[in-house]
Amino acid sequence: DSGVTQTPKHLITATGQRVTLRCSPRSGDLSVYWYQQSLDQGLQFLIQYYNGEERAKGNILERFSAQQFPDLHSELNLSSLELGDSALYFCASSVDGRGDPQETQYFGPGTRLLVL
Amino acid sequence: QKEVEQDPGPLSVPEGAIVSLNCTYSNSAFQYFMWYRQYSRKGPELLMYTYSSGNKEDGRFTAQVDKSSKYISLFIRDSQPSDSATYLCAIHSGGSYIPTFGRGTSLIVHP
Repeated sequence: DSGVTQTPKHLITATGQRVTLRCSPRSGDLSVYWYQQSLDQGLQFLIQYYNGEERAKGNILERFSAQQFPDLHSELNLSSLELGDSALYFCASSVDGRGDPQETQYFGPGTRLLVL
Repeated sequence: QKEVEQDPGPLSVPEGAIVSLNCTYSNSAFQYFMWYRQYSRKGPELLMYTYSSGNKEDGRFTAQVDKSSKYISLFIRDSQPSDSATYLCAIHSGGSYIPTFGRGTSLIVHP
C-alpha cells in the first residue's frame, strides 16, 4: 500500500458527462501528480500541483481541469467526456516535487473510467 | 518517434530464467532512469533508480544504462511467478522531475 488513496475505484458514465476523481496524497507529501494510462498511449503525465499551486502541465486536454485543496487532497475534473477518455487515471504524490531527481513518486491504485 | 520506446510484449519465460527488459530513448538530455513495476489493477511502484551509465544491482534486479546508445535495461535473475507484472521504464532530465514513461513490457513468469 503506497499510502495514496483514490476514489472512486471504478466509474462508468456516458459521453458528454462530467466526472470528478479524487486523490488523497501520502501523509506529509506536498506534491500531487495526475496521469492517464491507456493501452495505446501508455502512462501520460497530465498535471502536477505543489502545495495548492499548479507546478507543471503535461498533455492535459482543455476539457480536463484539476485543483489541490488546502488539505492537500486533489481532484481531477473531466468534462464533455468522449469515448476516448476511457482509461485508468492515476494520482501520485511526492514529498516535494521541486526537481530533486531522486525523489520518489508514490502512485495510488487508480480510478478506472469507462465512457459509454 | 516517441521519446521513450519500449516493447509491450508480452514476454513469457519459465521460472528461474534470466529476464531482460529494455527501453530506448531519443533525448540525450535525459539523465535519470527509473524502472517501475505495475501489477494488474494496481498503480506503478518504483523498483529501481539510477543516474549514471553502468550497472546498479538490487537483489535479483540489475539496472543497466548505456547513455552513448541511449539504451537502458532491467535484468531479473532467477525470475519468479511473483515477478509477473508490467515493467515501465521512466526517464527524465532532472529539471522538473516529470518523467516520461515507456508503454511498459508485460512479463509473465510461468511455474
